[in-house]
Amino acid sequence: NAGVMQNPRHLVRRRGQEARLRCSPVKGHSHVYWYRQLPEEGLKFMVYLQKENIIDESGMPKERFSAEFPKEGPSILRIQQVVRGDSAAYFCASSPQGRTNYGYTFGSGTRLTVV
Amino acid sequence: DQQVKQNSPSLSVQEGRISILNCDYTNSMFDYFLWYKKYPAEGPTFLISISSIKDKNEDGRFTVFLNKSAKHLSLHIVPSQPGDSAVYFCAAGTGGGADGLTFGKGTHLIIQP
Repeated sequence: NAGVMQNPRHLVRRRGQEARLRCSPVKGHSHVYWYRQLPEEGLKFMVYLQKENIIDESGMPKERFSAEFPKEGPSILRIQQVVRGDSAAYFCASSPQGRTNYGYTFGSGTRLTVV
Repeated sequence: DQQVKQNSPSLSVQEGRISILNCDYTNSMFDYFLWYKKYPAEGPTFLISISSIKDKNEDGRFTVFLNKSAKHLSLHIVPSQPGDSAVYFCAAGTGGGADGLTFGKGTHLIIQP
């Protein structure tokens, strides 16, 4: 499978718990982007990472949210002490280089529900 | 402040006719634009893009037009097919990549048989 793999597809967390969302980019892609889609909204950019580096986290909430893309393994988006407002679809995308004008490849998303 | 706007939440078009989806932007720093298609429970799929140095880009049934002076772009699909029924997102970015895209809220295109 050459696509971006995200897991889990669905995640339910109680308020105050931690959520960990994983993203395995297309093989050979070294650039990863995370987006969030709230109900009835477009996708909002959160963070752009390369291996072991955060390039742009201007869209990431300052508290409770963190992201990493280690040398080995998937990229992880971590949300601590989740609240109801974190309920959304979280999409990961990857590209072979840091240019997005040809369109990068999205995964199918993780739907987070906070109860 | 919404920098990329898709003012039509939905659009219904008869099969075989032309579908025209519109998008307006406010940030004059945007210099490339993309259209994505999204089915329910799936991630967006890249369709077509255009650089600000062009005013038209065509790929099969899909054509994107860019009017920089009006800060407006449109996606034309002709002829429309049932499989085109999906949500279409307009997105914009600044040059050189290495940044995130700004997306509109999407237009739900429904192709009527």
